[in-house]
This record gives sequence, structure tokens and C-alpha cells, in this order.
Amino acid sequence: AIQLTQSPSSLSASVGDRVTITCRASQGISSALAWYQQKPGKAPKLLIYDASSLKSGVPSRFSGSGSGTDFTLTISSLQPEDFATYYCQQFNSYPHTFGGGTKVEIK
Amino acid sequence: QLQLQESGSGLVKPSQTLSLTCAVSGGSISSGGYSWNWIRQPPGKGLEWIGYIYHSGSTYYNPSLKSRVTISVDRSKNQFSLKLSSVTAADTAVYYCARDQQYFDYWGQGTLVTVSS
Repeated sequence: AIQLTQSPSSLSASVGDRVTITCRASQGISSALAWYQQKPGKAPKLLIYDASSLKSGVPSRFSGSGSGTDFTLTISSLQPEDFATYYCQQFNSYPHTFGGGTKVEIK
Repeated sequence: QLQLQESGSGLVKPSQTLSLTCAVSGGSISSGGYSWNWIRQPPGKGLEWIGYIYHSGSTYYNPSLKSRVTISVDRSKNQFSLKLSSVTAADTAVYYCARDQQYFDYWGQGTLVTVSS
């Protein structure tokens, strides 16, 4: 199974900060990567698919980049509602796998 | 708007079988191009994909759970189901159903299943 390693596992940031989360795959997955946001007690919400495509309705401050094994989720200006845990997920091959998550906390 | 809703037993005894159902509304489970999935999340931990089923009935399971998992579909009721046998405390988790078009674009709200005697 393809392993996804996210870093950092947690971070503290302030409103307005630029935040970058990375996801590294154990083997090449082309652009078959998605990013999700999860808030406590809620289901994950799709933000980005195909590594860099923004899901309709998701604010443009979220962006994704990368291909192959290295990927990045960037929040250009952190908003209060963005404090959550973020997961990457690969869909290049089965079993689909998720990264371990990055918790974004308020500084 | 597509909606998914999990239901089933919230408490299962060790060694017994966990059974959950996901009811789909606002769209047909028989729509082509999508698979219907189960994903779980132990308390305070990350996400684990369990398996999928297509409307045709074809399935694929995570090898780590394959020997204990069965996913089935009831097209007449527009729902699909999960059975996980021989459960232990390690199977305690929030179980989600989700639609997959490679990535998971619609999710149920999740249901907590606790394995305890």
C-alpha cells in the first residue's frame, strides 16, 4: 500500500498567516491526490482534488500543488474557520490511503 | 443534493459482527461512475479506508481487513451495507460512508461504533 506522510503533524498559526502543509507519498502517484478538512465531530470535507483542482464552493485562499511524490496544501491567509485537521488522500491505487493528518491550531 | 446517512448498532460485543447501513438520498446508487465506500476513524486517530462496492455489486476491500469485511448493495432501497466480523476493541471507531469518484466528494455524518462487553 502507498504510504502518505504529512508534515507537520500539528502547527500553531495566527489569523492572516500563510500556512503550508506537505504530503509525501512512498511512491509516485502522478496527480492522484486529494486534500480534506475535518472539524471536530464532523465528516471530512473535500477541498482539493487532482492535486491542484479546487472543489466548487471552496474559498480561493486554499490551493494545492505537486505531482509524483511531493504535494503541498497552502492556505494563503488563515481565517478563524480554517482551524481544523487536514488530511491528504491518494487515489492512484488501491487501497486508497490517507496521510496521518495535520492539526492547525490557534496561536 | 446527495445525502448519505449511516445507521446501525452503536455497541457491539467482542467477537461479534458489526453491521451498518448507508442510506443514499438525492441521487441513485445505480448512477454510473461512482463507487460507494466505507471509511473509519478510531477516536482521536486518522482515517482508514475499508472498501467499496459498485452498483453492479463488484467489491474491493482493504487487504488489512479483507478477511472480515463484507459490503453489499440493495439497489431497491438505494442503500449499501457493511458487515465486519470478529470485532475487537481495535474496531471501535466512527464509521463513515462516502461516495467515491476517485476522491470522496460526499460523506455521511458518521456513526460511532463501540466494541465492548
